[in-house]
Amino acid sequence: QSVLTQPPSASGTPGQRVTISCSGSTSNIGSNAVNWFQHLPGTAPKLLIYSNYQRPSGVPDQFSGSKSGTSASLAISGLQPEDEADYYCAAWDDSLNGWVFGGGTKLTVL
Amino acid sequence: QVQLQESGPGLAKPSETLSLTCTVSGASISNHYWSWIRQPPGKGLEWVGYISYSGSTNYNPSLKSRVTITLDKSKNNFSLKLSSVTAADTAVYYCARETRELLRGNWLDPWGQGTLVTVFS
Repeated sequence: QSVLTQPPSASGTPGQRVTISCSGSTSNIGSNAVNWFQHLPGTAPKLLIYSNYQRPSGVPDQFSGSKSGTSASLAISGLQPEDEADYYCAAWDDSLNGWVFGGGTKLTVL
Repeated sequence: QVQLQESGPGLAKPSETLSLTCTVSGASISNHYWSWIRQPPGKGLEWVGYISYSGSTNYNPSLKSRVTITLDKSKNNFSLKLSSVTAADTAVYYCARETRELLRGNWLDPWGQGTLVTVFS
């Protein structure tokens, strides 16, 4: 059971916009910035969003993040087949003094 | 470009100690924080623990009694030891660099590719 709650799956057709939600509590998302990662099997998870909405250099603006209260969202616009991957949210937890993660959302591009 | 690479045995027997090393290139281990994260087969990511550039550590309470993370500045790497392993410790183990900023918060980047450790007798 993951501390942060994500839907297990999401899907969309090429060109569409999809949103993935992440729900937490006051000790994690409510108090700290959210990270989003893209993960393909057998590869290193890739940071897509940090500080709730900031994109690292090299991450296209088709990926955007937002946060409100104890929930956060990742939006992917202009969906492409290569966006098919697992997406994870994460946040620092003040009670744990460590990281907590969502269970991951498997994105399928139909 | 900062890169992290995990290494260590891919198999461990129950009750033994799992030992992994993360070698860092392109950055000094004397800066930042360094974390271990694992992913059991078919499950989500689980934070194992971190070590700071000064050697201070914190571990996931669920693993705390069995985990030790150490830093080797001479080799620019950090290591994980997990004792008394069981089948439940079978997972892909990742290392990652953690950046902490007062205004922008914390983030994990980059990560290593991960290494699968299987516990079986």
